[in-house]
Amino acid sequence: GESVGLHLPTLSVQEGDNSIINCAYSNSASDYFIWYKQESGKGPQFIIDIRSNMDKRQGQRVTVLLNKTVKHLSLQIAATQPGDSAVYFCAERSGGSYIPTFGRGTSLIVHP
Amino acid sequence: DGGITQSPKYLFRKEGQNVTLSCEQNLNHDAMYWYRQDPGQGLRLIYYSQIVNDFQKGDIAEGYSVSREKKESFPLTVTSAQKNPTAFYLCASSRPGQPRDEQYFGPGTRLTVT
Repeated sequence: GESVGLHLPTLSVQEGDNSIINCAYSNSASDYFIWYKQESGKGPQFIIDIRSNMDKRQGQRVTVLLNKTVKHLSLQIAATQPGDSAVYFCAERSGGSYIPTFGRGTSLIVHP
Repeated sequence: DGGITQSPKYLFRKEGQNVTLSCEQNLNHDAMYWYRQDPGQGLRLIYYSQIVNDFQKGDIAEGYSVSREKKESFPLTVTSAQKNPTAFYLCASSRPGQPRDEQYFGPGTRLTVT
């Protein structure tokens, strides 16, 4: 079946650097994408979402980029802080379904 | 405060015993979900429910059962038929059809079966 996956399972950065977490998806019918952050021992929390009629969306210190041509999604975190250390998941949904498909996740480690 | 709660946070059981994990939400969400998460893995869907008294199997429903007698509650029973029940279990809820339609997750229950 079609799936969502991540390129890098672990990303280590220095505090203050910008972080980029990537996600590839294979379902060309996907039209809604969400990034979640999961801290150790907790449930995932919503970070930002984007619909397929957009290619960029910005939040507070985060930006999501969507490239539908190559089916690629990225999450950019500006001025990464130790509190950003977590596992980040992308999730996608295709029209007509409210059930998301989650990727495996990327562990972001921020060194002070 | 509105939210989704799971209890207990840690649960220990002996092999061969059924165990029920609690999930409650006061967000007035119609849809509720159960996921299983293994170390270093993503979320795998066990069961989901869109309305009261109705639920559907997800990708890994074998060895699990659920009920949805109330909108606020969606308990998950891990039966003795589940071969590898030790995992982190996450409950979520959502409101399908809204412009922002993310899932709200509970804090999770870590189940250990020995």
